Amino acid sequence: GESVGLHLPTLSVQEGDNSIINCAYSNSASDYFIWYKQESGKGPQFIIDIRSNMDKRQGQRVTVLLNKTVKHLSLQIAATQPGDSAVYFCAENIPNNAGNMLTFGGGTRLMVKP
Amino acid sequence: NAGVMQNPRHLVRRRGQEARLRCSPMKGHSHVYWYRQLPEEGLKFMVYLQKENIIDESGMPKERFSAEFPKEGPSILRIQQVVRGDSAAYFCASSPARGREQFFGPGTRLTVL
Repeated sequence: GESVGLHLPTLSVQEGDNSIINCAYSNSASDYFIWYKQESGKGPQFIIDIRSNMDKRQGQRVTVLLNKTVKHLSLQIAATQPGDSAVYFCAENIPNNAGNMLTFGGGTRLMVKP
Repeated sequence: NAGVMQNPRHLVRRRGQEARLRCSPMKGHSHVYWYRQLPEEGLKFMVYLQKENIIDESGMPKERFSAEFPKEGPSILRIQQVVRGDSAAYFCASSPARGREQFFGPGTRLTVL
């Protein structure tokens, strides 16, 4: 059920350092994973995705790692900048009979200190 | 190429009134998803629609909530007889096909007084 009143876990990093945000997903049948970034007052913004037949994918300054054995996903941000401050959500795509839908994790707030 | 559009961005309703939230998907996208988000929480799936069809409404309350995506025009999420617990941000996303990345709109923030 929904968690009411819980605060998001927060990761605080120094500008220029690397950030690692972790996510445990729930369903071993999930075939596709996405990381989203959500800034205050805005909708989630697509960052990077990965399919279940891969274990690593790199983008510009971001890398996603997938460990299917332990159902773990991570987002690595290199040389973190103040503009990276936001809430980051992982989402897993669970195939089902009705159609595919995304199930979102609870989110991690990244705070970048100048 | 405009992104996903939602309006209004902010909506205030009194208890018992109706709320209508609109979503125009990205050009070329025929799959629309509605999510609800409470402060400091993740997004909860509500409903998945394709043009003129509801594909999956397993996340939507059975009463007072309905959604449509007509052949012409935006997708509409309708909440009848709103209660304070309906106050939340409602996000719409669209994708070009099933199993593809979803692109989100800016959301509608509903406040029920």
